[in-house]
Amino acid sequence: GEDVEQSLFLSVREGDSSVINCTYTDSSSTYLYWYKQEPGAGLQLLTYIFSNMDMKQDQRLTVLLNKKDKHLSLRIADTQTGDSAIYFCVYGKLTFGQGTILTVHP
Amino acid sequence: GAVVSQHPSWVICKSGTSVKIECRSLDFQATTMFWYRQFPKQSLMLMATSNEGSKATYEQGVEKDKFLINHASLTLSTLTVTSAHPEDSSFYICSARISSYNSPLHFGNGTRLTVT
Repeated sequence: GEDVEQSLFLSVREGDSSVINCTYTDSSSTYLYWYKQEPGAGLQLLTYIFSNMDMKQDQRLTVLLNKKDKHLSLRIADTQTGDSAIYFCVYGKLTFGQGTILTVHP
Repeated sequence: GAVVSQHPSWVICKSGTSVKIECRSLDFQATTMFWYRQFPKQSLMLMATSNEGSKATYEQGVEKDKFLINHASLTLSTLTVTSAHPEDSSFYICSARISSYNSPLHFGNGTRLTVT
């Protein structure tokens, strides 16, 4: 079946870049998504990428997709304290990664 | 953009009572909605897929008589936690898709259920 894995924790200093990684096992879906969850809240769609793309940039967010290695990453430039949250990689039919807890230190 | 409204945001109830949580798609029609449960610092666990006009599809290990799902219209799905117990305390989140299989999921803000 489908499986999505992420690193559980990431800690960065304010102003640095954050890179959150995700690997997946299936390859049939057209889209891969990144969601952000702030404490006690629902999930907010951050960005997504088509499976026929290698990279997508949206302001401070850059998504890289390596289809050969089935690896997806989310880079947040100039990370701010407001970026502290849990980030979920989501693949295809509702397959969630475990979530990466991003902590940004002043 | 697509908005999913979930109500209530939080609820406290006594053991043995039932609690209903509503999930509404405000500006689109959703033939399919999804219900999740999330434990602290963990990922979302899909509980069931709610299909408008038909029975919900439950994931393995989820008691359908315990978690009643009704999807009576294209904009509303409800989850009723029946005879709630303290172990049912959790964060429940719903989501909906606009149309196709690959369109993004849009999430409600979740409901924090505490059973005393």
